Amino acid sequence: GENVEQHPSTLSVQEGDSAVIKCTYSDSASNYFPWYKQELGKRPQLIIDIRSNVGEKKDQRIAVTLNKTAKHFSLHITETQPEDSAVYFCAARRDQGAQKLVFGQGTRLTINP
Amino acid sequence: DGGITQSPKYLFRKEGQNVTLSCEQNLNHDAMYWYRQDPGQGLRLIYYSQIVNDFQKGDIAEGYSVSREKKESFPLTVTSAQKNPTAFYLCASKDRGPNYGYTFGSGTRLTVV
Repeated sequence: GENVEQHPSTLSVQEGDSAVIKCTYSDSASNYFPWYKQELGKRPQLIIDIRSNVGEKKDQRIAVTLNKTAKHFSLHITETQPEDSAVYFCAARRDQGAQKLVFGQGTRLTINP
Repeated sequence: DGGITQSPKYLFRKEGQNVTLSCEQNLNHDAMYWYRQDPGQGLRLIYYSQIVNDFQKGDIAEGYSVSREKKESFPLTVTSAQKNPTAFYLCASKDRGPNYGYTFGSGTRLTVV
C-alpha cells in the first residue's frame, strides 16, 4: 500500500540555525505534498504544500523541495525561532479518487535558545 | 474552530462501552475523514466519506463505525471491539478538486478508564 517515510523522528537545532526534514513516498502517482505543523494538543495546521509539477516552493523562512524521480521531498526552515518548536508531518496524495492523505510519522523539532 | 467542530474535547470510556465522537462542518465540503493519532505513529486513516450516504474503510477501520446521513456531519463510533482505543482522534474535511487541502477539527482525546 501507499507509504510515507519521514526522518528524523526528533531534531534539535540552535535558534537561528536551519532545520531540514525529509520524506520519501511510495506511490509514484502521488502529486500533492503538504506539510503540517502541530503544536501540543492542537490540530495540524498546513504550513506549505507543493504539487508535482513544481520542484521548489518558498514562503518566507519555509521552503519545500520535491524530487519526483527519487520520490523524495523535504522541508527547510531557515533562521529558526523558538515558536518553530512543534511536531511536523509530511503527507502525500493523488489528485484522483478519494484524495486521501497518507502521513509520515512526524518529526519533533526543538529550537534551543 | 475554522468551520469544522469536534466534540467533546475529552472523552473517557469504560471497558466494553461504545462511544461516539462528533464531527460537524459548515464549509459545504463533500469529503470528510477520520484519523487516529498515536505518539510516534503519525496520523492513520480510519474511515472516509466522499459523499452523503457513502463511506469507505481506511487503513485501521476494525472496531470503528461511521455514518454520513448529512453532508455536515460524520460521527465516529468507537465500539467495544476496538481493543486499544486510547488516542487522539482528528476529523478533517475537504472541498472538491485537487487544489484543496484538508481542514482539521481540533480533535477529541479518548481515554479508556
